[in-house]
Amino acid sequence: AQTVTQSQPEMSVQEAETVTLSCTYDTSESDYYLFWYKQPPSRQMILVIRQEAYKQQNATENRFSVNFQKAAKSFSLKISDSQLGDAAMYFCAYTRNNDMRFGAGTRLTVKP
Amino acid sequence: GAGVSQTPSNKVTEKGKYVELRCDPISGHTALYWYRQSLGQGPEFLIYFQGTGAADDSGLPNDRFFAVRPEGSVSTLKIQRTERGDSAVYLCASSPFTGGTGELFFGEGSRLTVL
Repeated sequence: AQTVTQSQPEMSVQEAETVTLSCTYDTSESDYYLFWYKQPPSRQMILVIRQEAYKQQNATENRFSVNFQKAAKSFSLKISDSQLGDAAMYFCAYTRNNDMRFGAGTRLTVKP
Repeated sequence: GAGVSQTPSNKVTEKGKYVELRCDPISGHTALYWYRQSLGQGPEFLIYFQGTGAADDSGLPNDRFFAVRPEGSVSTLKIQRTERGDSAVYLCASSPFTGGTGELFFGEGSRLTVL
């Protein structure tokens, strides 16, 4: 079964600085999708960024970008110019056939 | 509504009772998912519907858990003989895509507490 591992239970960043959240996954498939979701205290999961495994180019969404290393099965999220509103739980997720699997999450704190 | 709606927002019940949690997906979304999220954990897949049928129910932990989606829209997650270990936030998500290739749109979840 596919597994997703987030090795950083908590991370902290100073406002306006850059932080990188790590994610690794295990799969024998070559075609799949990876996601980063944000979960604020309101509990609603919000999509941050998505990467298709067949694309070599790293996805970027404004201040959010990923470093996708397919051979290493690594999918890290970089948040630039961190803002107070970025504080939340961040979940890495993998999907191929409908059953999206999530990591345990990283709690990001942003210090003013 | 504009988003995925889940009711109730919070449910407190006693051990052994029966519970129903409702999910109203975004209109037109054919795929619907249920996840369970325990404190400090990531969401755990329970079941996936494509239309009215359960395309994958491999995540349901045991036969006390059951979910239906009779008309391909609203779904109900049913838990019989609740146990304290069932306490968690139950998340529902919907998607207009098939094959798990697209974004999932999540509701705010139903927090279940079993005393």
